[in-house]
Amino acid sequence: DAGVTQSPTHLIKTRGQQVTLRCSPKSGHDTVSWYQQALGQGPQFIFQYYEEEERQRGNFPDRFSGHQYPNYSSELNVNALLLGDSALYLCASSFGSVYNEQFFGPGTRLTVL
Amino acid sequence: RKEVEQDPGPFNVPEGATVAFNCTYSNSASQSFFWYRQDCRKEPKLLMSVYSSGNEDGRFTAQLNRASQYISLLIRDSKLSDSATYLCVVNIGTGNQFYFGTGTSLTVIP
Repeated sequence: DAGVTQSPTHLIKTRGQQVTLRCSPKSGHDTVSWYQQALGQGPQFIFQYYEEEERQRGNFPDRFSGHQYPNYSSELNVNALLLGDSALYLCASSFGSVYNEQFFGPGTRLTVL
Repeated sequence: RKEVEQDPGPFNVPEGATVAFNCTYSNSASQSFFWYRQDCRKEPKLLMSVYSSGNEDGRFTAQLNRASQYISLLIRDSKLSDSATYLCVVNIGTGNQFYFGTGTSLTVIP
């Protein structure tokens, strides 16, 4: 049973560029959440997708957008990259109730130069 | 005020010691609570959910105090392999958002 997978593992971009990160949830899970984790900080909630719609959004600008496909996989897009967007981006999947525990993928480490 | 606050530590304890972490949350509507463990440069992994009645899993005990709005994690007989960052997570009942604390760093010393 595959867990949550993310791609790519690492990414280096320059300011102003755009990036797309991908996530496949754990088998049987229908909900995907995205988090940004800066060094030395806890993960910060970006948004959550359920039934192909954004169900909840954290305090992130519109430069951060996402998508969920019918097979529950998801993408995180970030436009007009800033140096401060450098972080570990984590995808987490869960099933059903919003109160259920989330399982995390290994993350994508984004560096913006 | 942050939704979830943890003492960042670091906690440095000898093998075999008992160590406790506390985490406070600000929203009384919070519905579910978890402890996650995160190793250096790895993803967070679920350690245990926290129930109102308290729960135990081997050497780990988690408790919830709704009146004072805090959760705790107790680790008994610490092992070297327990060295990690422990993240407190709270789900606010009115939304679908999980709030993470900044994490508490634990190092178990031989």
